[in-house]
Amino acid sequence: QSALSQPASVSGSPGQSITISCTGSNSDIGIFNLVSWYQQYPDKAPKLIIFEVDKRPSGVSNRFSGSKSGTTASLTISGLQAEDEAVYHCCSYADTTTLFGGGTKLTVL
Amino acid sequence: QVHLGQSGAEVREPGASLKVSCKASGYSFTDSYIHWVRQTPGQGLEWMGWLNPKNGGTNVAQGFQGRVYMTRDTSSSTAYVEFTRLTSDDTATYYCVADRTVTTLGNWGQGTLVTVSS
Repeated sequence: QSALSQPASVSGSPGQSITISCTGSNSDIGIFNLVSWYQQYPDKAPKLIIFEVDKRPSGVSNRFSGSKSGTTASLTISGLQAEDEAVYHCCSYADTTTLFGGGTKLTVL
Repeated sequence: QVHLGQSGAEVREPGASLKVSCKASGYSFTDSYIHWVRQTPGQGLEWMGWLNPKNGGTNVAQGFQGRVYMTRDTSSSTAYVEFTRLTSDDTATYYCVADRTVTTLGNWGQGTLVTVSS
């Protein structure tokens, strides 16, 4: 059982927008603006796409955006493309430890 | 640019020990923390802890304390994670990750698959 809760799967059609939620608690997401998101293709290492809730590393498409409300963080992908099909992991700092969600498989229909 | 090269896949019997390496290049090794993250087959990610290469200090997650040790060799810019008393539950891919912070996991190695089986 993962410390953060994500839906197991989401899907969308090319061009649409989707949002993946990540629910934590008042010990992690609720008190730290230190949520990050990672994209992982099969048999590849994860890649950082969002950090500190809503910041994008250099080179990451602006189609990816992050937000937070209370104890829930969200990743939104706009203008879905076939190449976005991957697993997305949320992560939160929690004062001397770091917690992950179980991962969400995004299928582009 | 930042590159982390990990050692190759390993097979061990239950009860054995193992050391996985992570060689850093493209940046100053002592300027970034090295985190270790575990991914069990078909499962999510699990943070194991971090190593501060500057002073060797570590912060190991509770579930790994007493069984996992993180060390480094600054002369070769290499970080290590050592496992003792391996069990089948340790079968997983292990990633090293370099980041200037303890709160984000910016640059990932390619992963090392560890299989524990008799």
